[in-house]
Amino acid sequence: SQQGEEDPQALSIQEGENATMNCSYKTSINNLQWYRQNSGRGLVHLILIRSNEREKHSGRLRVTLDTSKKSSSLLITASRAADTASYFCATVGGTYKYIFGTGTRLKVLA
Amino acid sequence: GAVVSQHPSWVICKSGTSVKIECRSLDFQATTMFWYRQFPKQSLMLMATSNEGSKATYEQGVEKDKFLINHASLTLSTLTVTSAHPEDSSFYICSARTQSGGGFYEQYFGPGTRLTVT
Repeated sequence: SQQGEEDPQALSIQEGENATMNCSYKTSINNLQWYRQNSGRGLVHLILIRSNEREKHSGRLRVTLDTSKKSSSLLITASRAADTASYFCATVGGTYKYIFGTGTRLKVLA
Repeated sequence: GAVVSQHPSWVICKSGTSVKIECRSLDFQATTMFWYRQFPKQSLMLMATSNEGSKATYEQGVEKDKFLINHASLTLSTLTVTSAHPEDSSFYICSARTQSGGGFYEQYFGPGTRLTVT
């Protein structure tokens, strides 16, 4: 399977702490994107990082990309209870198909 | 921003019946749409790529006779689950692709359809 791997599978932290989740993938990419999904709901696009970029910020989100290691990380700083959700990375390669990672279930405790 | 809608948002059907799910791009034209399936607590798996005016391309392991896809216009793709069985119960998500000003493709996801087969 080409599906990316994410770790941890589940993460539980206290409000105010930082949350880091990692994504590893198998093929070369044009870009990598991170999505959030609340339980039973659709995807919310968080951030896109292109293959020639190494780091990107958006509000409390920081994404890094290491194409030599085929890995990316998503850092959420100063987490809030509302950040509780599943987070997925999606890689986009030459065919422009989105291949999703296995996901990280984040629980932020108030 | 680009909006993709799905209808219905949830559906319950009896085993053996067929159900149709619609995916619409509301404010842009999409020559390509994608259908994903997501089982509980799992990731999204691409089922098929739908191109306007041509046959869909199915991923390995997806039965094309069971999951009929029609992309009749630049704003509408439909997925019909034929002779549904309880194991087809899942969350079905579509996405629509458009080309951005920078020449890159962008995909926008619909809110999903929860199918329960009893």
